[in-house]
Amino acid sequence: GIQVEQSPPDLILQEGANSTLRCNFSDSVNNLQWFHQNPWGQLINLFYIPSGTKQNGRLSATTVATERYSLLYISSSQTTDSGVYFCAVYWDTDKLIFGTGTRLQVFP
Amino acid sequence: GAVVSQHPSRVICKSGTSVKIECRSLDFQATTMFWYRQFPKQSLMLMATSNEGSKATYEQGVEKDKFLINHASLTLSTLTVTSAHPEDSSFYICSARHRGTSAGDTQYFGPGTRLTVL
Repeated sequence: GIQVEQSPPDLILQEGANSTLRCNFSDSVNNLQWFHQNPWGQLINLFYIPSGTKQNGRLSATTVATERYSLLYISSSQTTDSGVYFCAVYWDTDKLIFGTGTRLQVFP
Repeated sequence: GAVVSQHPSRVICKSGTSVKIECRSLDFQATTMFWYRQFPKQSLMLMATSNEGSKATYEQGVEKDKFLINHASLTLSTLTVTSAHPEDSSFYICSARHRGTSAGDTQYFGPGTRLTVL
């Protein structure tokens, strides 16, 4: 099956810092999403991004499908950005396969 | 729009009992719903795909007799954990895809159900 690896696994930042999260996948995919899982477990859709670059406020994402990776940029991080970030790829028609996750902690 | 609810949000039960978890799409119809399981500090693992009016498709290693899935309407799918044991304790999350969208289109996630089996 497909492997979806994220790096780094853990990230500790001070408020105001910028960061880049990476998602590598081992096979061609139909699509890709980035999620933020808050401390209560709710998954929040951040980006649906099969290719190219999208921006939403302090967050932006870039997917290079031909090279099988995606990046999530967080600028001017805030304590509310803390949580786990997952990328997930659509593979084998409709299966959403989640990556290993990056646990982010932002301190004031 | 695109809100998915789950009930209950948290359940504690004794070993050997069965637990039913409901997943509802509140403002859209979903022909396809998905069930995931997440153990502490781990990623989400797809358990099964649920299609309205037909049998669910289970992922390899998931016991279909243990995890019964019913998708009786376009807005409701249920997951029943039968004869639950402590190793079934986990966070169960459902998602739904809009009716009329294509495979690979975005899924919307419920808030999850935390199951603890004593």
